[in-house]
Amino acid sequence: DAKTTQPNSMESNEEEPVHLPCNHSTISGTDYIHWYRQLPSQGPEYVIHGLTSNVNNRMASLAIAEDRKSSTLILHRATLRDAAVYYCILRDGAIIQGAQKLVFGQGTRLTINP
Amino acid sequence: DVKVTQSSRYLVKRTGEKVFLECVQDMDHENMFWYRQDPGLGLRLIYFSYDVKMKEKGDIPEGYSVSREKKERFSLILESASTNQTSMYLCASVLGVDDEQFFGPGTRLTVL
Repeated sequence: DAKTTQPNSMESNEEEPVHLPCNHSTISGTDYIHWYRQLPSQGPEYVIHGLTSNVNNRMASLAIAEDRKSSTLILHRATLRDAAVYYCILRDGAIIQGAQKLVFGQGTRLTINP
Repeated sequence: DVKVTQSSRYLVKRTGEKVFLECVQDMDHENMFWYRQDPGLGLRLIYFSYDVKMKEKGDIPEGYSVSREKKERFSLILESASTNQTSMYLCASVLGVDDEQFFGPGTRLTVL
C-alpha cells in the first residue's frame, strides 16, 4: 500500500479554519485519498474522500494537488468537537475484493483551543 | 441512522480463556472488518469478510479466528486469550468499493 505522511500534531483556535496536510508522493493513478477522524473513546468516522478533483461535503473540504502527491483537509470553522486524530489513507480503487481494507497510519492529533 | 454495534465496550478476561467479540451492522453491508488499535501502532487489520461464510486474513491474524454465519454479524474469536491481546478492538462494515467504512464504538479488552 502506498504510504502517507502527516504531522504528528497540530493546534488551532475555535472558529478558525484548519488545514491538515498529507503527503503521498508514491500515490498511484487508481488510489483514492480518504480521510477519517477518531474522536476520543470512539471508533473512526469517515470525513471525506476524493480521487483527482477537490471535494466538498458538510464536514470538510478536500484539496488535492494537481500532481496528486499531496492533499489538504480543510475544516472551515473548527469547533471544540473537531478535536480528534485525523487519518489520511490511500485506498486502491483497482482492487475489487477486500478493496475496502484501510491502512491507518499514526494520523495528526488536532487540538482546538477555545 | 446507520449503525455498527459491538457486544461490549469493556471486557476483562483471564489468560487462556476463549473470548468472543460480536459485531452487528444494520446496513445490509457485504463487507465487514475487525481491527485492533494499540498506542503507537495505529489500527491494524486482523480479518475481514466480503460475504457470508467468507473470510480473509488481514495483517495480524495469528491468535484469532472469525465467524460470519449471517450477513449482519461478524464475530472475532480469541481461541486462548493472551496478555498481548489486550487492546482496543474495532469492527467496521462497508457496502462497496467506493463507500465509506462505518466503525463500531470499539471493545476495550483486557487480558489478565
